[in-house]
Amino acid sequence: KAGVTQTPRYLIKTRGQQVTLSCSPISGHRSVSWYQQTPGQGLQFLFEYFSETQRNKGNFPGRFSGRQFSNSRSEMNVSTLELGDSALYLCASSLGTSGEQYFGPGTRLTVT
Amino acid sequence: AQSVSQHNHHVILSEAASLELGCNYSYGGTVNLFWYVQYPGQHLQLLLKYFSGDPLVKGIKGFEAEFIKSKFSFNLRKPSVQWSDTAEYFCAVTSRFGNEKLTFGTGTRLTIIP
Repeated sequence: KAGVTQTPRYLIKTRGQQVTLSCSPISGHRSVSWYQQTPGQGLQFLFEYFSETQRNKGNFPGRFSGRQFSNSRSEMNVSTLELGDSALYLCASSLGTSGEQYFGPGTRLTVT
Repeated sequence: AQSVSQHNHHVILSEAASLELGCNYSYGGTVNLFWYVQYPGQHLQLLLKYFSGDPLVKGIKGFEAEFIKSKFSFNLRKPSVQWSDTAEYFCAVTSRFGNEKLTFGTGTRLTIIP
């Protein structure tokens, strides 16, 4: 089976712009979670989608949003980018609710 | 709310030394516990997991972890580390019942000196 894929892998944006990141889960996985990873902060949970519905949400401002499509692919959007949004954004998919997740390689976002 | 503490931020060991990384969680209910590892330049991947049963679980590459319910701990161990174990290690917890998120600790960076 193909693993979790994320596109693009690298992105450079300017403050104030918006960005959309994409994630394709492992075939058959209906749950997709998004995390922000920064040095010293570890993995901060953004949100989780299951069957096109947001099931859980982290403590991020409304500038961060996401959605999931009927084929389980997911996108996350960050509007009005700030310097502090520079991070590695990870997507993970899972089959059920056990917590066993499979991660993609991430999208490295740099905001200048 | 769930939380996970990993008290060791950076651990440096020589090859063949024994390893123990601490993980404590805060959650009032029944939990599933995980250790994930991120090798340099690679994806985050599952190292081992505990759902129920024997509290001593074994994972890949000779790692094991022990769940001590009374101490809310799930420490990771390896009797003899190798240079290839250099990586960042994350402990994570979620509730066993219900649709709660997976909560990660801040990670422990492990450096093995040849």
